[in-house]
Amino acid sequence: ETGVTQSPTHLIKTRGQQVTLRCSSQSGHNTVSWYQQALGQGPQFIFQYYREEENGRGNFPPRFSGLQFPNYSSELNVNALELDDSALYLCASSPRTSGPPQETQYFGPGTRLLVL
Amino acid sequence: QQQVKQSPQSLIVQKGGISIINCAYENTAFDYFPWYQQFPGKGPALLIAIRPDVSEKKEGRFTISFNKSAKQFSLHIMDSQPGDSATYFCAASRAGAQKLVFGQGTRLTINP
Repeated sequence: ETGVTQSPTHLIKTRGQQVTLRCSSQSGHNTVSWYQQALGQGPQFIFQYYREEENGRGNFPPRFSGLQFPNYSSELNVNALELDDSALYLCASSPRTSGPPQETQYFGPGTRLLVL
Repeated sequence: QQQVKQSPQSLIVQKGGISIINCAYENTAFDYFPWYQQFPGKGPALLIAIRPDVSEKKEGRFTISFNKSAKQFSLHIMDSQPGDSATYFCAASRAGAQKLVFGQGTRLTINP
């Protein structure tokens, strides 16, 4: 069984640029959540995707957007990058259920983004 | 607003000792409390989780103790080993919500 995978592993961008991060959910999982983890901090919830629609959003501006595809993989897009966007971006997936998304979330290794 | 407070920030324990990390939460609607272990350069890995209907859950050397009235829960690592050296995060979520709310993390060092 393949776990959650993310690409790329590292990325360097300059302020004002745009970035796209990718996530493949674990087999049997249909819900994807994205988190931002600043250095020395706990992860902060950005948003969740379920059935290809945004299913909850944290306190992040609209320049953070995402997509979920029919195979349950997901993208995180960040426009107009700022220095404070430098962080580890984590994707987490949750197992498929017959009802609402399950709380249990399994994380990928993350993408480390550096904005110069 | 910090909804989950974790302590201590760092902890040093001798090999074979008991490591204890504490968390307190504010939102009484929280009903799912997981602990994650994170090694440098890796994503958080789910260790163990508990719901408020039980006061304790044990899995191997890891035990969660839960005190609903005090709105506190803790992770106990028995017979701590150098391989347990990592950062540990507590988290909480509520039914119907989509997000995990994380504590600030505890950097645990187990000395050989």
